Amino acid sequence: AQRVTQPEKLLSVFKGAPVELKCNYSYSGSPELFWYVQYSRQRLQLLLRHISRESIKGFTADLNKGETSFHLKKPFAQEEDSAMYYCACSSSGSARQLTFGSGTQLTVLP
Amino acid sequence: EAGVAQSPRYKIIEKRQSVAFWCNPISGHATLYWYQQILGQGPKLLIQFQNNGVVDDSQLPKDRFSAERLKGVDSTLKIQPAKLEDSAVYLCASSLQILAKNIQYFGAGTRLSVL
Repeated sequence: AQRVTQPEKLLSVFKGAPVELKCNYSYSGSPELFWYVQYSRQRLQLLLRHISRESIKGFTADLNKGETSFHLKKPFAQEEDSAMYYCACSSSGSARQLTFGSGTQLTVLP
Repeated sequence: EAGVAQSPRYKIIEKRQSVAFWCNPISGHATLYWYQQILGQGPKLLIQFQNNGVVDDSQLPKDRFSAERLKGVDSTLKIQPAKLEDSAVYLCASSLQILAKNIQYFGAGTRLSVL
């Protein structure tokens, strides 16, 4: 069974500081990894996914198959980055269901 | 494009009552999902539809939960009878499910409180 672990429930950094949100997954196969974000009073939305290998809002995430990790990073945090971040893993089969981690609440302090 | 629509936004009921939630996915999205998100946890998949057929309902508590998507468009999720532990946000999501387009779009959710 798939499992996604986000070890930090809460993370606070100062504006301009680097930020890293940790995500580890457990899956036998070739999963697809995602980061979803939920800003205050908004719906859950996709931030980025590993197959796109893109940077969104300054965030990047690299899939490390050896460590089974997909950590989210940003070199200089901004106050508008404050939100709830969820890491998710999808099977590569036809069903493509998402298994979510429990989330990390990021607060960027001024 | 219009997003995933859900109603109602909030619902308060007493235990043992019944409740229904409605979801209208993004036009053209064949795949629809219902998730349950308990406070402090990530969303957990309850059921997945492909058009009007069920792909996976292995995590749906079938003794009290039911869901349907009769015409392959909108969907309803019902709980009967509700228990205290059903208090959660119920999220609906939809996707195209085309290869390399496995992106799920979420509705705003229905927050259920069972008293």
